[in-house]
Amino acid sequence: TQLLKQSPQFLSIQEGENLTVYCNSSSVFSSLQWYRQEPGEGPVLLVTVVTGGEVKKLKRLTFQFGDARKDSSLHITAAQPGDTGLYLCAGEVRDQGAQKLVFGQGTRLTINP
Amino acid sequence: NAGVTQTPKFQVLKTGQSMTLQCAQDMNHEYMSWYRQDPGMGLRLIHYSVGAGITDQGEVPNGYNVSRSTTEDFPLRLLSAAPSQTSVYFCASSRRGGFSYNSPLHFGNGTRLTVT
Repeated sequence: TQLLKQSPQFLSIQEGENLTVYCNSSSVFSSLQWYRQEPGEGPVLLVTVVTGGEVKKLKRLTFQFGDARKDSSLHITAAQPGDTGLYLCAGEVRDQGAQKLVFGQGTRLTINP
Repeated sequence: NAGVTQTPKFQVLKTGQSMTLQCAQDMNHEYMSWYRQDPGMGLRLIHYSVGAGITDQGEVPNGYNVSRSTTEDFPLRLLSAAPSQTSVYFCASSRRGGFSYNSPLHFGNGTRLTVT
């Protein structure tokens, strides 16, 4: 079973449009991270949110952590072809004393020029 | 500044063969982990280590072994390869096991494994 569900799984939009990607769970996370992955490479961290309700901005990307720390969203304003990639959310959980990151299945985003 | 280095980049195995995927990091990170990435499944944790001499199982450990004899290296061994182990494997490290804003995961570029 997938602890973190991302939606949509695939999204293809035109340059200049806005979009939102969602990351949902029934579990509470200590922190939540968003990564972006390019073909042939490993994921690279975009942002970490820690506090319920926290909002972080990274240029045209806005990340929000839900008040209950169970969900998160990524909003991109005026998308550009350079935003194309696989976006992954990852939640931090504590399991038998060890902290682990569990990942969603990813959202593959394509921005068409 | 190499970061996390994985070798090989590509590998083809026949069912029943064994092999070791190598992972090395030069950032003196305590925490290292192995994930596999399959279409529609995201990244699933195979094994992880919070320091030299300590390893533990993740979500999908069956068919894989790990060891952590040094801080730098964390090899992943496939004991008897099966077609279900066809996947892209990523090694990742972190300064420590807590993934707060000052301790993110750093990933290698992956090993693409095909088992026929």
